[in-house]
Amino acid sequence: ELKVEQNPLFLSMQEGKNYTIYCNYSTTSDRLYWYRQDPGKSLESLFVLLSNGAVKQEGRLMASLDTKARLSTLHITAAVHDLSATYFCAVDRYGGSQGNLIFGKGTKLSVKP
Amino acid sequence: DADVTQTPRNRITKTGKRIMLECSQTKGHDRMYWYRQDPGLGLRLIYYSFDVKDINKGEISDGYSVSRQAQAKFSLSLESAIPNQTALYFCATSDFQAGDQFFGPGTRLTVL
Repeated sequence: ELKVEQNPLFLSMQEGKNYTIYCNYSTTSDRLYWYRQDPGKSLESLFVLLSNGAVKQEGRLMASLDTKARLSTLHITAAVHDLSATYFCAVDRYGGSQGNLIFGKGTKLSVKP
Repeated sequence: DADVTQTPRNRITKTGKRIMLECSQTKGHDRMYWYRQDPGLGLRLIYYSFDVKDINKGEISDGYSVSRQAQAKFSLSLESAIPNQTALYFCATSDFQAGDQFFGPGTRLTVL
């Protein structure tokens, strides 16, 4: 069975702290996507990781991809309240760019003062 | 104006009714998708389309049908709605290159 597993599913952090969200997947995909969803809102693309070893950074978020381990990480540095949201990772069911994405269940992040 | 729009944004209907959700995009993308989101389950793909003549079933297509009327329009129909189709529905688009998907604002559907 094809799976995309995120952990943790819930994360409560204090402002200023660092933490990592993990995304394990069971396909042979060479690319992985991270999305953000604010409460009651749509999904917003954060990162597209296109190859093994890819690393991308935007502000306090950094994402990486290890296709051999079938693992992606989303690292949060010095969290601020504005990062509170649900974060999803997704991979292509057929491993390429077919668009048939499988999503993880999401990690709900809450950053508290 | 928004790149991906969905209508209606909210809909309450009764069991057995036929309902259509519509999606339009101005991004010029060839690929369009329909997902449903249920609390705690993430997003699941219902149907996707690579162009007007190419439509494919996703993970959970039973009970749904789609129509790609034009490159910019992709509609989702529930032929006979049932309560477990109560969910948040998203339309998305992508180009061929990166595969990154751009989501519409969502339609909240309640089936009583």
